[in-house]
Amino acid sequence: DAGITQSPRHKVTETGTPVTLRCHQTENHRYMYWYRQDPGHGLRLIHYSYGVKDTDKGEVSDGYSVSRSKTEDFLLTLESATSSQTSVYFCAIEAGQSSGANVLTFGAGSRLTVL
Amino acid sequence: SQQGEEDPQALSIQEGENATMNCSYKTSINNLQWYRQNSGRGLVHLILIRSNEREKHSGRLRVTLDTSKKSSSLLITASRAADTASYFCATYGSSNTGKLIFGQGTTLQVKP
Repeated sequence: DAGITQSPRHKVTETGTPVTLRCHQTENHRYMYWYRQDPGHGLRLIHYSYGVKDTDKGEVSDGYSVSRSKTEDFLLTLESATSSQTSVYFCAIEAGQSSGANVLTFGAGSRLTVL
Repeated sequence: SQQGEEDPQALSIQEGENATMNCSYKTSINNLQWYRQNSGRGLVHLILIRSNEREKHSGRLRVTLDTSKKSSSLLITASRAADTASYFCATYGSSNTGKLIFGQGTTLQVKP
């Protein structure tokens, strides 16, 4: 997980509360991603960013928003957490763009439980 | 919906045996990648194969790609207990949308 840090690593919250997960990279990569991982679904893309203030939706973006005010930080916000958002969230950076390949490096994950 | 579908969902073998995992996908791709995830950890990139390649090797890993069948396979030869993990295929679409889409994964258990 060198060069990419997620915080918090674990969080328990209650339904209806806002939650923000942070992804920090030291690699100065342009592309950053947020995925969620659930049993039976594998990894599903929530949002991604292709530069400062440039973001786009993934396949499961409802209920989530993101912000990227500087290259190194990509924030994922759950405005009003629901139990269906209990999951493990992974941030990733695209480490291979310069070679034309789109290889991802993942963070260690943030386990979120919504009660 | 998921782009990649893996088969089998779970695989249990003895150390020293070969393990084969398959991945099918739906749309045209630029490249296909395989990742490994150890329990409680993030995913780690293993190998990438481009759409114009048919086979690629990396150490004990062999990946094949059949674009006509929209399928790929990952072969791990002479498996070790340390290979116990979940393995995911991921596809990057030829439309260059900036999205790497993952399958549901195959859980491999290698018994010592």
